[in-house]
Amino acid sequence: DAGVIQSPRHEVTEMGQEVTLRCKPISGHDYLFWYRQTMMRGLELLIYFNNNVPIDDSGMPEDRFSAKMPNASFSTLKIQPSEPRDSAVYFCASSSIRGLAGTTTGELFFGEGSRLTVL
Amino acid sequence: SQKIEQNSEALNIQEGKTATLTCNYTNYSPAYLQWYRQDPGRGPVFLLLIRENEKEKRKERLKVTFDTTLKQSLFHITASQPADSATYLCPGGANNLFFGTGTRLTVIP
Repeated sequence: DAGVIQSPRHEVTEMGQEVTLRCKPISGHDYLFWYRQTMMRGLELLIYFNNNVPIDDSGMPEDRFSAKMPNASFSTLKIQPSEPRDSAVYFCASSSIRGLAGTTTGELFFGEGSRLTVL
Repeated sequence: SQKIEQNSEALNIQEGKTATLTCNYTNYSPAYLQWYRQDPGRGPVFLLLIRENEKEKRKERLKVTFDTTLKQSLFHITASQPADSATYLCPGGANNLFFGTGTRLTVIP
């Protein structure tokens, strides 16, 4: 398997522009997570989906952020309008079977991230 | 609120020594804890999971302990090497989804 695939790897945009980040989870995984990482705040959970349905979006900073998962193999995180303080690395992760059932570890598989710079 | 904290932002040790990183949790009793490694410019990678009924788990030069009395997990890297330099994270909270800033380990040759 190719792992979690994110695009673009790097994005530089100007304040006020719309930004769309994309993620393809590992096939067969039923959970998808979006994280944001900065030096100051570390890795923060923004939102996660189970079977394409948003479960918890309490980490989404504000209404400028939105996430969708139209099918099991694709998700987007959109920022509109973007601001300089949104500059960060955004990670997508996927997982299967949360919790302790059976022998699963509940581990998250992360993509390589999308580095966003808003000027 | 449920909280998990790593006791230091950065740790420097000499090559060959044992590195020990600490994760403390408060206001909840996790059924298991995980440890991840993150290299610069990459996403975190899962290393080990330890359950509450396990005292210790090993994988090659890595060892994780779980002390439910002290509410603490220790992560050890024995015979450390410069290649072990990375940020190590122990997520906490509900379903272990909250990562924080981790501990940046530097192994000095």
